[in-house]
Amino acid sequence: AQSVTQPDIHITVSEGASLELRCNYSYGATPYLFWYVQSPGQGLQLLLKYFSGDTLVQGIKGFEAEFKRSQSSFNLRKPSVHWSDAAEYFCAVRLTGGGNKLTFGTGTQLKVEL
Amino acid sequence: DGGITQSPKYLFRKEGQNVTLSCEQNLNHDAMYWYRQDPGQGLRLIYYSQIVNDFQKGDIAEGYSVSREKKESFPLTVTSAQKNPTAFYLCASSPQMNTEAFFGQGTRLTVV
Repeated sequence: AQSVTQPDIHITVSEGASLELRCNYSYGATPYLFWYVQSPGQGLQLLLKYFSGDTLVQGIKGFEAEFKRSQSSFNLRKPSVHWSDAAEYFCAVRLTGGGNKLTFGTGTQLKVEL
Repeated sequence: DGGITQSPKYLFRKEGQNVTLSCEQNLNHDAMYWYRQDPGQGLRLIYYSQIVNDFQKGDIAEGYSVSREKKESFPLTVTSAQKNPTAFYLCASSPQMNTEAFFGQGTRLTVV
């Protein structure tokens, strides 16, 4: 079965510092990959997605993610974090070729120190 | 504005009662989903529907039921058989099964 691992439960960074959130998936073929962000008590907002093509994907709010097939990873990055980026971030995977389940990681809680 | 509306935002029920959570979308999406979110566990799929009058069980369907009589609506009933129903419930939709999902704002259910 496909699975998604986000190894960091909590991450704290200083405002203005760079950020990298890790995501690894377990699946034989290349899936569709997503990063979502969730503010407390709210729904999830899509940051970016990877279906195919260029392995460096740009998203909203200055985020980017890089797909590395050899490492089965899809890490989220931001060069300079803003205090408003404090939230929970979820990596998600969907099977290709008619798959139907969007499987989520357990999330990484980001705290930004001023 | 187009979007997904979940209601109510907060819901309280007594143990042993069934409760229905509403999810409506005006995005003309074919697929709809229900997820349950618990702290530290991410989102777990309860049920999903690819088309009207059809739905499939997700990973944790026991104690839940759904219907899809209209394209816009995908209500979730939490039955008394669900052993631990207190959670944050998220509804989502997507144009097709192989695209990104768009989420509603969630319903927090508390069973006392």
